[in-house]
Amino acid sequence: DAGVIQSPRHEVTEMGQEVTLRCKPISGHNSLFWYRQTMMRGLELLIYFNNNVPIDDSGMPEDRFSAKMPNASFSTLKIQPSEPRDSAVYFCASSLGGGRGNEQFFGPGTRLTVL
Amino acid sequence: QKEVEQNSGPLSVPEGAIASLNCTYSDRVSQSFFWYRQYSGKSPELIMSIYSNGDKEDGRFTAQLNKASQYVSLLIRDSQPSDSATYLCAVNGGSNYKLTFGKGTLLTVNP
Repeated sequence: DAGVIQSPRHEVTEMGQEVTLRCKPISGHNSLFWYRQTMMRGLELLIYFNNNVPIDDSGMPEDRFSAKMPNASFSTLKIQPSEPRDSAVYFCASSLGGGRGNEQFFGPGTRLTVL
Repeated sequence: QKEVEQNSGPLSVPEGAIASLNCTYSDRVSQSFFWYRQYSGKSPELIMSIYSNGDKEDGRFTAQLNKASQYVSLLIRDSQPSDSATYLCAVNGGSNYKLTFGKGTLLTVNP
């Protein structure tokens, strides 16, 4: 069974450039989560979707960040323009959602470096 | 502000010993509790979930939950060097889908 798929695995870009991270959740899962992990702040939830609808984006740091989920099998997280402080590992996770079915399964992550 | 607290470690135990990892949480309405293992440079991997007070065993792992004390722990019996990783405690509160993660405890098992 395929797990959560993320691309790219590594991204190096220059300050001011647009970055797009991609995620394919586990088939049949209806909740999708974007996290950011840094040494200083740990694992932070940025946004989560339920049935393709954004439910809570309170963790999105600022307007430079946006996320979409056009269908049940694809989501993007975009940073425009990128800044060096955005350097982190970005994880996508999915779950069945609802009640106790909220075990989240993580993708391999995208390591972003903004120079 | 919902908080999940863990000792950052490192926690060092000899091979074959029991490793005990602890976690406290602030939100009394929390319903679901999870332990994730994260190897260096890898993504978090779910290893245990617990929903009711008491103990839940799965192989060498035992999760313990005490809602009155707002405390959840993970015991690893017969620790192996391959258990060396950061262990993240995660808590879900109420009816939403959000997990709040602790910052993790680094466990080192020495051969």
